[in-house]
Amino acid sequence: GQQLNQSPQSMFIQEGEDVSMNCTSSSIFNTWLWYKQDPGEGPVLLIALYKAGELTSNGRLTAQFGITRKDSFLNISASIPSDVGIYFCAGQGSGGGADGLTFGKGTHLIIQP
Amino acid sequence: EAGVTQSPTHLIKTRGQQATLRCSPISGHTSVYWYQQALGLGLQFLLWYDEGEERNRGNFPPRFSGRQFPNYSSELNVNALELEDSALYLCASTLLWDTEAFFGQGTRLTVV
Repeated sequence: GQQLNQSPQSMFIQEGEDVSMNCTSSSIFNTWLWYKQDPGEGPVLLIALYKAGELTSNGRLTAQFGITRKDSFLNISASIPSDVGIYFCAGQGSGGGADGLTFGKGTHLIIQP
Repeated sequence: EAGVTQSPTHLIKTRGQQATLRCSPISGHTSVYWYQQALGLGLQFLLWYDEGEERNRGNFPPRFSGRQFPNYSSELNVNALELEDSALYLCASTLLWDTEAFFGQGTRLTVV
């Protein structure tokens, strides 16, 4: 089956720093999504990417759909305390909704005071 | 507009019992997906329902089942509970064939 490798697994940063995380896949995806999950909550959609090479921003967040369609990255600029949480990448293949989304294992973002 | 709602938020069952989890999708969404989020394993696709029918299932045993009602709400049933079934169960809804899935807050199932 499809697998997503998400890295890093965790990040310890200072407030104000920029953050970068990425996902790579063993197969091609038609859509990449990035979610954030706070403790005890469900994932919240941050950014959706639909075309290879697409670069999309949402406030301080920027994500790109890799040209090979096998990777994506998420950048967060000037991190603030509320950015703490777990970030997941998710991809959807050619089967549309049939296979659901394939999720990475998450990047745990921790901001040190 | 109300988001995806799940109930109960927490559920404690003993091994061998059955658990029933419920999900109400966003109004207008016809597709409901169920995911299992076990500690350290990320989100694993369980089931997909649309228009009252099971459209696909992930790599889970048959004791994981469910249904979708005419109002598009959904139930997930887990029979013969095992300790390893302890996890956060997440429901997501979408428009048919749409990719952007919106999640509920989840049901934390604990099997003791």
